[in-house]
Amino acid sequence: EPEVTQTPSHQVTQMGQEVILRCVPISNHLYFYWYRQILGQKVEFLVSFYNNEISEKSEIFDDQFSVERPDGSNFTLKIRSTKLEDSAMYFCASSSRPMNTEAFFGQGTRLTVV
Amino acid sequence: AQSVAQPEDQVNVAEGNPLTVKCTYSVSGNPYLFWYVQYPNRGLQFLLKYITGDNLVKGSYGFEAEFNKSQTSFHLKKPSALVSDSALYFCAVRDIKSGGGADGLTFGKGTHLIIQP
Repeated sequence: EPEVTQTPSHQVTQMGQEVILRCVPISNHLYFYWYRQILGQKVEFLVSFYNNEISEKSEIFDDQFSVERPDGSNFTLKIRSTKLEDSAMYFCASSSRPMNTEAFFGQGTRLTVV
Repeated sequence: AQSVAQPEDQVNVAEGNPLTVKCTYSVSGNPYLFWYVQYPNRGLQFLLKYITGDNLVKGSYGFEAEFNKSQTSFHLKKPSALVSDSALYFCAVRDIKSGGGADGLTFGKGTHLIIQP
């Protein structure tokens, strides 16, 4: 069964450093998403991406965040200068259609900012 | 703005008994509704969805959910609980907007379901 894969599974970084979280969505999907889950809290939407541009973003997704689809398979989330409060589990998701189709989630990348 | 409420932090059910995990939502238009399950240290797995049509939808692992428009609810149910159903369950909503677009899901805070042997 096709799945969304994320690397690395765990990333530790120092405050102020840049990090790139990587995702390989399901191959025939066209819509891509990033969500985050701070420990013990609910899953929060960050950004959606379609046709090589951001479709929607939440207020969490400020200028420190960016997304890119550098080639035909990868979808990345970059945090330019990490803060302690960026520590969370980051989930990538993809779907074949935007609205009435379920999104498939990756296993997540646990980001720890120290 | 859309929102989801899961009023119970934890639900405890004896194995073999029916279970219900509650979810209510608020959207400006019509909703697309989803249930996801999260096992420890794992990602979110899709269980079921309501888009349109029959108010009772069936999903994976014997789960079902009933859409109630008047009560704006989408409770998750299972007739007979298994110990392996113990996990964190999230209800999510997406508001149907005329503009379309790849809109993100709004999740509830999650409900821990504990099935006791």
